[in-house]
Amino acid sequence: LAKTTQPISMDSYEGQEVNITCSHNNIATNDYITWYQQFPSQGPRFIIQGYKTKVTNEVASLFIPADRKSSTLSLPRVSLSDTAVYYCLVGENNDMRFGAGTRLTVKP
Amino acid sequence: DSGVTQTPKHLITATGQRVTLRCSPRSGDLSVYWYQQSLDQGLQFLIQYYNGEERAKGNILERFSAQQFPDLHSELNLSSLELGDSALYFCASSAWRGRNTEAFFGQGTRLTVV
Repeated sequence: LAKTTQPISMDSYEGQEVNITCSHNNIATNDYITWYQQFPSQGPRFIIQGYKTKVTNEVASLFIPADRKSSTLSLPRVSLSDTAVYYCLVGENNDMRFGAGTRLTVKP
Repeated sequence: DSGVTQTPKHLITATGQRVTLRCSPRSGDLSVYWYQQSLDQGLQFLIQYYNGEERAKGNILERFSAQQFPDLHSELNLSSLELGDSALYFCASSAWRGRNTEAFFGQGTRLTVV
C-alpha cells in the first residue's frame, strides 16, 4: 500500500492555475494514481487517473514524472467553485484508502 | 447523480441503539466500499465487498458489520451506538477491471447519535 503525502492546505485566487503535488515514494509497478475532489457534506468525485507521463481531461491535467514517485494535479484557471478537498490515491485493484487530502481555498 | 443510492439520507438515534444503512451500487458495479467521515475529518475506509465477498477491511469497529447481498446492494450495520459514531457514512461502488477504475460515491447518510 503506497503511502501518499500532500500539502494540508493551499490558497489560490480566481483565474490562477493551481498545482497540487502528491508524493508516493514507494509506488509499486502496478499502481495507478487517482485524484478525487470532495465538497463539504458530499461524496468524493473522480477527477483524473494516470499511470505515467501526462493525462488531460476537460477538468484537469495529471503530470507524472518518469520515476513515478510523485504526481501533480493541475487545475487551470480555478474559480470559487473549485474550493474543495483534493485527494491523491495510489494503488492497484481498486485500493480505495484516502489520505488526509489537500484543502484548496480559492479566493476572489 | 452518481448512480449510487444511499438510504436513509438522515438518521437520528439514541446511544445504545442499532441502525442499518443501505447502499445500492451503480448498475453493473460489483465492488462496494463503506467510509465514515466525522466532522471536518478525512474519509476513514471501513470495508470493501466484491461480488458478495469481503475484499478488504479498514478501521471498522467490532460493533460495526457489513454485507453485500446477491443483488449487490450492501448494508452497514452499526450497533451499540455511541455519540462518537455520529458522522457521514458514504458508500461507493466501482466496476472491477483488474486495475484501478473510477469509483462513484453516494450522497451519504448523516447519522446523529444523541
